Amino acid sequence: SQKIEQNSEALNIQEGKTATLTCNYTNYSPAYLQWYRQDPGRGPVFLLLIRENEKEKRKERLKVTFDTTLKQSLFHITASQPADSATYLCALDRRDRGSYIPTFGRGTSLIVHP
Amino acid sequence: NAGVTQTPKFQVLKTGQSMTLQCAQDMNHEYMSWYRQDPGMGLRLIHYSVGAGITDQGEVPNGYNVSRSTTEDFPLRLLSAAPSQTSVYFCASSYSGGTYEQYFGPGTRLTVT
Repeated sequence: SQKIEQNSEALNIQEGKTATLTCNYTNYSPAYLQWYRQDPGRGPVFLLLIRENEKEKRKERLKVTFDTTLKQSLFHITASQPADSATYLCALDRRDRGSYIPTFGRGTSLIVHP
Repeated sequence: NAGVTQTPKFQVLKTGQSMTLQCAQDMNHEYMSWYRQDPGMGLRLIHYSVGAGITDQGEVPNGYNVSRSTTEDFPLRLLSAAPSQTSVYFCASSYSGGTYEQYFGPGTRLTVT
């Protein structure tokens, strides 16, 4: 069956370091992969989208890679700040009768310590 | 633009009661969806719609109904609430499914006693 895996353990890092979060998937061939941020008590907020033919995408301090051979995406936050503390979700598109349906991983909590 | 709005923010129901969670968007998005989020379970898709008049089931549709009579609105109906439906519900919209960014509402926290 199709599966999306994100590390369920929280990632704790020191301010200023680079945070790297992982999204692995099995039995999928997604054409698109997205990353979202979710703060407690709020809805997810879109961060980045990467297509299968793109190896890497950047936006300010954020970088996403997409390796369709390894079936893995890495999400990097450089020069991390305490304000980056949140849960980060990856989402893959699942083809369903002509529509692309986003399917989410369970998310990884990032805690940036000052 | 208000984006995606959801009402109510909080709701307590007794087992067996019915209610409708409202969702509206003002971005003229064709795709709308409902998720529930439970601790440790992530976001699970309940129902989705690719346009007015078209709806389909997601991963966990049992106990929920939807309809899409306009582009803007996508209400979620709980027919006979059960404690297992205690959750946080999010509505989302996008230009077109998983190939575009999803805009989420603020959520409805539902407790069924």
